[in-house]
Amino acid sequence: AQSVTQLDSHVSVSEGTPVLLRCNYSSSYSPSLFWYVQHPNKGLQLLLKYTSAATLVKGINGFEAEFKKSETSFHLTKPSAHMSDAAEYFCVVSNQAGTALIFGKGTTLSVSS
Amino acid sequence: DAGVTQSPTHLIKTRGQQVTLRCSPKSGHDTVSWYQQALGQGPQFIFQYYEEEERQRGNFPDRFSGHQFPNYSSELNVNALLLGDSALYLCASSLFGWDRVDNEQFFGPGTRLTVL
Repeated sequence: AQSVTQLDSHVSVSEGTPVLLRCNYSSSYSPSLFWYVQHPNKGLQLLLKYTSAATLVKGINGFEAEFKKSETSFHLTKPSAHMSDAAEYFCVVSNQAGTALIFGKGTTLSVSS
Repeated sequence: DAGVTQSPTHLIKTRGQQVTLRCSPKSGHDTVSWYQQALGQGPQFIFQYYEEEERQRGNFPDRFSGHQFPNYSSELNVNALLLGDSALYLCASSLFGWDRVDNEQFFGPGTRLTVL
């Protein structure tokens, strides 16, 4: 069965410093992987998506993620955090049929000034 | 384009009651999926509807049922409510075959259900 593990439940950074949110996945097939962000009282928004094309995926708002098959990882990074980045972030894998998303438990990102 | 809309925003029910939640997909989308997000957890897939049929179901009991209408909007029904059904219920819409590179699921803001 496929699953994702977000290695940190909470990450705190200062504004202007790099962001790293870690995610490992488990899958018996070549999965599609995603990162979603959830701001309070707002819907989930897709940040970026990997579907077996380039292993380095660029997303919105300066975020990017690298698919590493040998490490079964899909970590999310951003060179410089902004206050508006504070939110809940979810690493997600698709099921084999491509009909459902399987979410990790989430990482809360806090950004201080 | 209003995006994915859900109603109501909040709902309070008591144990044993039944509830219906509604979702209107993004314009042009034909597929609707429902997810349950308990407090402090990631969303869990309930089921997906396409062409008015349930196409895929997650690990949820039969108390959870749904419907899709010809205009692609959808309802989620939960019978015999339990305290553990308290959660944020999210609707996502897409074109069928959303896993393609050129496709994605768009989520609504959710309905917060509280069961007392």
